[in-house]
Amino acid sequence: IAGITQAPTSQILAAGRRMTLRCTQDMRHNAMYWYRQDLGLGLRLIHYSNTAGTTGKGEVPDGYSVSRANTDDFPLTLASAVPSQTSVYFCASSVEGVSSYNEQFFGPGTRLTVL
Amino acid sequence: GENVEQHPSTLSVQEGDSAVIKCTYSDSASNYFPWYKQELGKGPQLIIDIRSNVGEKKDQRIAVTLNKTAKHFSLHITETQPEDSAVYFCAASETGTASKLTFGTGTRLQVTL
Repeated sequence: IAGITQAPTSQILAAGRRMTLRCTQDMRHNAMYWYRQDLGLGLRLIHYSNTAGTTGKGEVPDGYSVSRANTDDFPLTLASAVPSQTSVYFCASSVEGVSSYNEQFFGPGTRLTVL
Repeated sequence: GENVEQHPSTLSVQEGDSAVIKCTYSDSASNYFPWYKQELGKGPQLIIDIRSNVGEKKDQRIAVTLNKTAKHFSLHITETQPEDSAVYFCAASETGTASKLTFGTGTRLQVTL
């Protein structure tokens, strides 16, 4: 059982370059999320998706875009990376619904450094 | 939007002692309060959660209490063990909609021998 996988594990990127972080889940969860984790700031929501075909903005969406073409995949794209986007990025998923427990399952993270 | 504050940022306890981490939240509509444990190099993992219709929940050595009037909730770990050493995050959200969790800033717990 894989759960959630993220790729790459880590990446060093030149400023101005485009980068896509990949996230795949095999639990058939309808909701998926992207967070960034920075020291002293905890986890902050970037974008989310309630179900395939829909996306929404979180707390810190600027500079990032997402797509949700199917249930399993939720890629995060940095169109033109900047040093302030240096962070650890976590993808998560949950079974969404009025009566659900809303537990979010997290992937192992991608460590991104923008120089 | 929701704002979650978490204290302390670091906590060191001796093995066998208890540890308490406290969080406050701002949005009275929040009704779901999970706690996540993050070990080094891994993603956060849910350890316990509580909904606003209960005041306390226990699971072996861990317990969570909720005071909706004061808008605060706490994590209690008893008989701490070295494997409890990790970063703990509290969070809050409103169920029935997208589970947009708002996280606290984390507590680094160190259990010393």
